[in-house]
Amino acid sequence: DAKTTQPTSMDCAEGRAANLPCNHSTISGNEYVYWYRQIHSQGPQYIIHGLKNNETNEMASLIITEDRKSSTLILPHATLRDTAVYYCIVRGNQGGKLIFGQGTELSVKP
Amino acid sequence: DTAVSQTPKYLVTQMGNDKSIKCEQNLGHDTMYWYKQDSKKFLKIMFSYNNKELIINETVPNRFSPKSPDKAHLNLHINSLELGDSAVYFCASSQDGGLGETQYFGPGTRLLVL
Repeated sequence: DAKTTQPTSMDCAEGRAANLPCNHSTISGNEYVYWYRQIHSQGPQYIIHGLKNNETNEMASLIITEDRKSSTLILPHATLRDTAVYYCIVRGNQGGKLIFGQGTELSVKP
Repeated sequence: DTAVSQTPKYLVTQMGNDKSIKCEQNLGHDTMYWYKQDSKKFLKIMFSYNNKELIINETVPNRFSPKSPDKAHLNLHINSLELGDSAVYFCASSQDGGLGETQYFGPGTRLLVL
């Protein structure tokens, strides 16, 4: 599975959009980009995933560049409850396992 | 109803003891996983089972033995517990381990070995 690079930490003002970047320059054609988050002491929570098209659901939007070497997770109106560690994961077909990096610690501030 | 549940939530025990952690999913999924999150917060896959068969074993010491009595349950038994086993253990499940599907995680079991 391809490796991902994310900023260690980010801040965002409450009510503003949070844009979390992820680089995955070695991604291969059949690998998906997944985003999970972990709110303090809880289990990881699925947010969104995509292959090459942009995706949107009730939680977030995922923008994948045309060359697929990077992506951005967008939380359109961040709230204090969105404070968490956000993991960008590139996943291929290796028995389904997710390989977590260190993630981005997002702090949403009033 | 909780989709993926684990028991116990907290487990404090002495070195050398044997303990089990239980996991159940009510999503009808075929694949279940165990992940370990250490003190540095890195989450790492340990095992995965598909329809009661072992698929992934990530060079975990053989003191750890997963057991899947049916596809809704994946229990983790740990023999001769060591200090380094202290961590948070997360169970997860997915439909069949294939590409493009979602894994759902349990709330975690916090194990402290004294």
